[in-house]
Amino acid sequence: QSALAQPRSVSGSPGQSVTISCTGTSSDVGRFNYVSWYQQHPAKAPKLMIYGVITRPSGVPDRFSGSKSGNTASLTISGLQAEDEADYYCCSYAGSYTYVFGTGTEVTVL
Amino acid sequence: EVQLVESGGGLVQPGGSLRLSCAASDFTFTDFWMTWVRQTPGKGLEWVANIKQDGTDTYYMDSVKGRFTISRDNAKNSLYLQMNSLRAEDTAMYYCARGRFVSGWYPDYFDYWGQGALVSVSS
Repeated sequence: QSALAQPRSVSGSPGQSVTISCTGTSSDVGRFNYVSWYQQHPAKAPKLMIYGVITRPSGVPDRFSGSKSGNTASLTISGLQAEDEADYYCCSYAGSYTYVFGTGTEVTVL
Repeated sequence: EVQLVESGGGLVQPGGSLRLSCAASDFTFTDFWMTWVRQTPGKGLEWVANIKQDGTDTYYMDSVKGRFTISRDNAKNSLYLQMNSLRAEDTAMYYCARGRFVSGWYPDYFDYWGQGALVSVSS
């Protein structure tokens, strides 16, 4: 399995929106609605931001939203804030009891 | 608040062994699948292994099958990863995480993660 493809970095000014793409194949992202997104600040553990493609866990701000079209999932951060500066990883169930993570995207708040 | 605390990381020579532990607290450990995920600078995050609530089912990524064993002690609220025949490419931060599912019976996401245990494999 190859890692899901994410842009290496995206950036935006406070208040702007940014979208991170996560491209897989018809065997993972395209086949299952089991895409999750994780935020990771430096030297910290990953934190769940989205699961089941679109669902936000309680406590995650509603400026974070997820979507999927075909083999590509996306995470959108609307109204970017300074504390959103972090690395973001997508993950998809890939069948046969396995998972594949994305390559990771660094979000910079300008 | 759910807590997961890993321990047991360290420096080991190629071919050596190491056992990671993860102490869980503030949730009913026996209700959840548990998972190990590792992170390397070069490969990012990689799922390593899952174990069912009662320990009867386990699943592994291909590159660790036959070398790593995931287990749990529900009486101690603890998760383990026994790593044998370690290779340089196993060098990573290892996280334990709690598995959840949207539907069905097998986890499709991980809702809480520990802080990680660093494993370095080098001569």
